[in-house]
Amino acid sequence: GENVEQHPSTLSVQEGDSAVIKCTYSDSASNYFPWYKQELGKGPQLIIDIRSNVGEKKDQRIAVTLNKTAKHFSLHITETQPEDSAVYFCAASMGQFYFGTGTSLTVIP
Amino acid sequence: DGGITQSPKYLFRKEGQNVTLSCEQNLNHDAMYWYRQDPGQGLRLIYYSQIVNDFQKGDIAEGYSVSREKKESFPLTVTSAQKNPTAFYLCASNKDTRFYGYTFGSGTRLTVV
Repeated sequence: GENVEQHPSTLSVQEGDSAVIKCTYSDSASNYFPWYKQELGKGPQLIIDIRSNVGEKKDQRIAVTLNKTAKHFSLHITETQPEDSAVYFCAASMGQFYFGTGTSLTVIP
Repeated sequence: DGGITQSPKYLFRKEGQNVTLSCEQNLNHDAMYWYRQDPGQGLRLIYYSQIVNDFQKGDIAEGYSVSREKKESFPLTVTSAQKNPTAFYLCASNKDTRFYGYTFGSGTRLTVV
């Protein structure tokens, strides 16, 4: 089955700096890659997604890039704010979802 | 507004008890899922259902049971056979996993006392 690895497990940045979270996947059949943000005590919320026929997607301060050849995709958050502090999960899907182990992002004011 | 409702938010179980976690959605999604989340770990799939009256085991189904009698509802029972049930449980639904992400509920935190 699919194996999704996510790095780093924890990340601290100063407010206003950029944050990058990386994920790799093993099955080239995966064709849909969502990212979720989970705040403490809440369920994950979809923040951005990308499909395999697209290399990059942006939504305001958030962007995701996909390299199908290398089987990796990344989440980029620019101009970070304290409210960006949360756990972020990546996932890869070819029908069934496989999740990474999460990155705890702390934005220091 | 459409969404997924999980209840209760907090649940305490005594040793040897079965408890049932509720999950209801009004999104008209066919597929529903239960995940378990432990500190520092990713999401592990317990059970999923793609259609009413049908469900499949996930990666960690032992000690859990589900039913899917209605499209809107997918309750999870944590049985006494589950030896380490303390965790955060998440329910999710999906329109089409090929093109859409999950919609998650707000979770139920289960603690054994």
